[in-house]
Amino acid sequence: DTEVTQTPKHLVMGMTNKKSLKCEQHMGHRAMYWYKQKAKKPPELMFVYSYEKLSINESVPSRFSPECPNSSLLNLHLHALQPEDSALYLCASSPEGATEAFFGQGTRLTVV
Amino acid sequence: GESVGLHLPTLSVQEGDNSIINCAYSNSASDYFIWYKQESGKGPQFIIDIRSNMDKRQGQRVTVLLNKTVKHLSLQIAATQPGDSAVYFCAEKGGSYIPTFGRGTSLIVHP
Repeated sequence: DTEVTQTPKHLVMGMTNKKSLKCEQHMGHRAMYWYKQKAKKPPELMFVYSYEKLSINESVPSRFSPECPNSSLLNLHLHALQPEDSALYLCASSPEGATEAFFGQGTRLTVV
Repeated sequence: GESVGLHLPTLSVQEGDNSIINCAYSNSASDYFIWYKQESGKGPQFIIDIRSNMDKRQGQRVTVLLNKTVKHLSLQIAATQPGDSAVYFCAEKGGSYIPTFGRGTSLIVHP
């Protein structure tokens, strides 16, 4: 299995909702990432987990809360989002210290 | 701050032509570079990479050139096909294992 799987593919949520994005990989990678990508822009790093511990938080607002329950799963909990948070949220993984990062297909999030 | 950027936001070519996508970087400590292809509605997909101790690397129909003197790299796609239409990002790693993406170039291939 050489895939990073993200669910759901699409999500529409209201500003008072609580939702979660999920990411799963079975490649044994110990580094996992969340990126945010706005239209026609490059992916921007949000969080990095290394060996299931949060190692980097790129000053992301607290309405985004990451969680790494085990070495194969990465969640992003969403609460009280704003319309400007609408974007494609990408999960990626890599063997730590390695070169290539493998990306999932992303979750297209719309906040209404 | 230091960043990776691209010269041209959009490149239009005819099917069968060769395409060249350019990227400038400013972090002289960068020692590894990656090209990603992102099709509409999908995540970035690895194309080819190159380490700073090399100046050229070839893959299938793709070649990456690295000029450390002027901090420039390019992606050459031979015999461009409609399926090559996508946004192409260069990414760099310098001192960490986390890829930092440049601005992106949209490649449009006309049949």
